[in-house]
Amino acid sequence: ETGVTQTPRHLVMGMTNKKSLKCEQHLGHNAMYWYKQSAKKPLELMFVYSLEERVENNSVPSRFSPECPNSSHLFLHLHTLQPEDSALYLCASSQEGTGGNSPLHFGNGTRLTVT
Amino acid sequence: GESVGLHLPTLSVQEGDNSIINCAYSNSASDYFIWYKQESGKGPQFIIDIRSNMDKRQGQRVTVLLNKTVKHLSLQIAATQPGDSAVYFCAENIYAGGTSYGKLTFGQGTILTVHP
Repeated sequence: ETGVTQTPRHLVMGMTNKKSLKCEQHLGHNAMYWYKQSAKKPLELMFVYSLEERVENNSVPSRFSPECPNSSHLFLHLHTLQPEDSALYLCASSQEGTGGNSPLHFGNGTRLTVT
Repeated sequence: GESVGLHLPTLSVQEGDNSIINCAYSNSASDYFIWYKQESGKGPQFIIDIRSNMDKRQGQRVTVLLNKTVKHLSLQIAATQPGDSAVYFCAENIYAGGTSYGKLTFGQGTILTVHP
């Protein structure tokens, strides 16, 4: 059983919809991440929150908007998406000090389909 | 091993054999490496990690070898079982200097299939 829980597991949305992905970590970690996993591509880092502050925005389009209300919860708000945004969105957490030498723990992802 | 392209490398082995999955990493400044296993419908699961001041680390049935000279990482799985069938990813941490978090860069993955 993963210590990182993502909901929903599957989401189908139209291009004009607004939806949110939710992530909760039960590991007491202080950093949380959003990754995108598309077919035939390596995992792509989207956002990093460290100590609830956004510290990384990896050139992600503004139709993706993250929110980290506390160290245990992370959201990804979606609006006006494109079909090419269909992918598996993975949330991860880690316990960070200086250097980042600790593994990320992933949830099972939300499979997003944009129609 | 890992490659950039449209098709993931594949490795097929018989149950009980040893498996070796290879990964060429990109940045000589990377100081931390991780192997992940991803089964269908699940997120990546941590297997084992190694820091750049080591060249070998062993876990339960798994061994990671690091060759910094040629920027090569390998994962050895002993007595491979059908439950080991999955996609295996290597990841490198490129230390961003003074930051408190890691920036992992993932390889494309290798599909391991274990036949009973």
